[in-house]
Amino acid sequence: QQQVKQSPQSLIVQKGGISIINCAYENTAFDYFPWYQQFPGKGPALLIAIRPDVSEKKEGRFTISFNKSAKQFSLHIMDSQPGDSATYFCAAFSSGSARQLTFGSGTQLTVLP
Amino acid sequence: NAGVMQNPRHLVRRRGQEARLRCSPMKGHSHVYWYRQLPEEGLKFMVYLQKENIIDESGMPKERFSAEFPKEGPSILRIQQVVRGDSAAYFCASSPGTLEQFFGPGTRLTVL
Repeated sequence: QQQVKQSPQSLIVQKGGISIINCAYENTAFDYFPWYQQFPGKGPALLIAIRPDVSEKKEGRFTISFNKSAKQFSLHIMDSQPGDSATYFCAAFSSGSARQLTFGSGTQLTVLP
Repeated sequence: NAGVMQNPRHLVRRRGQEARLRCSPMKGHSHVYWYRQLPEEGLKFMVYLQKENIIDESGMPKERFSAEFPKEGPSILRIQQVVRGDSAAYFCASSPGTLEQFFGPGTRLTVL
């Protein structure tokens, strides 16, 4: 019940295209859903996050869509750039008892020039 | 405003030795989390600490692993009698007590 399932495992997109990464969760106690970007040899960097009381959040080229009833959320990267090539992790957090991030398995994004 | 600092960045140990990983949280952050990342996998929670207290260690292996966050100084993750399976990247994250967690660059532990 603590798992967060992420897909796809890898994604190749042309420059200027839209990258879409999906995540699903089971635990209804989760109430905070961040996305992290990680470059090789670096730590994860917080990209954008959403609470379940909204269905969409946009920051620049990055958008999170959230479907509470389906227990799914996704990251959309518009106008993808080669510099966006990295590994993306979705995560879920419960501000109640277990105050720990549960991560998805990651998506390796490659944006071709 | 410096970010989360971790040292060493790379650590090589032989089987049976001890590994000490240090984490200095961001200024003003009193909450520290440790995560482990195995190759090609996501991060797994290990332990959550506040100053001088372990709040949640449910992700920590029962033996050989310990963590502390003293009143003064960095948080320490200690692995005794390391084995090859301990080879991984260990990340520390800090938080001011809000939802956001900010990660350090990690310590990459290699056990020979």
